Amino acid sequence: AQSVTQLDSHVSVSEGTPVLLRCNYSSSYSPSLFWYVQHPNKGLQLLLKYTSAATLVKGINGFEAEFKKSETSFHLTKPSAHMSDAAEYFCVVTPGGGSYIPTFGRGTSLIVHP
Amino acid sequence: NAGVTQTPKFQVLKTGQSMTLQCAQDMNHEYMSWYRQDPGMGLRLIHYSVGAGITDQGEVPNGYNVSRSTTEDFPLRLLSAAPSQTSVYFCASSNIAGTVNTGELFFGEGSRLTVL
Repeated sequence: AQSVTQLDSHVSVSEGTPVLLRCNYSSSYSPSLFWYVQHPNKGLQLLLKYTSAATLVKGINGFEAEFKKSETSFHLTKPSAHMSDAAEYFCVVTPGGGSYIPTFGRGTSLIVHP
Repeated sequence: NAGVTQTPKFQVLKTGQSMTLQCAQDMNHEYMSWYRQDPGMGLRLIHYSVGAGITDQGEVPNGYNVSRSTTEDFPLRLLSAAPSQTSVYFCASSNIAGTVNTGELFFGEGSRLTVL
């Protein structure tokens, strides 16, 4: 079985400061990992994904994430927050091993202060 | 490029009424799914399908039915609406490579349902 834990339900930063959204996972197989962003009253949009290639993954809007197998983590970072980054972020794992079903974390709300 | 289209965007029902949420995708994706999103609960899987004629239950299937007669369409039916089904519903689709779903999920814009 697989699981995803987003360690913070809310993260608050000032504009121009770094962003760190934390995600830990468990999986019995070699997983694929994703980060999605959801702006208010919108659907989810892919930020980036890891599918067993490079462990440091770059996504859209300056976000990146590093897959650390030894720590079972896939934390999302951005060097400098922008007001438009304020949104809900979801970490998702697709476990592999013949399973079709992605597992979602509960989400982290990113608040950006001017 | 339409992607995933959901209708309606908003709906108000009375307890006991039935309705169907429509979902269509134009990307020839094998995998389609329905989620509900409630505050603090993230997204919970209701039903999913890996191809026409094949459906299965997710985490919270009670009170919902689905069918998959074509690759493109995956409607979600509420048989007898209850206030507990007040939620935002999302349809999502993706490619399946062999027996593994490693692909990006493409989401619709959501359907906001209120049951009085």
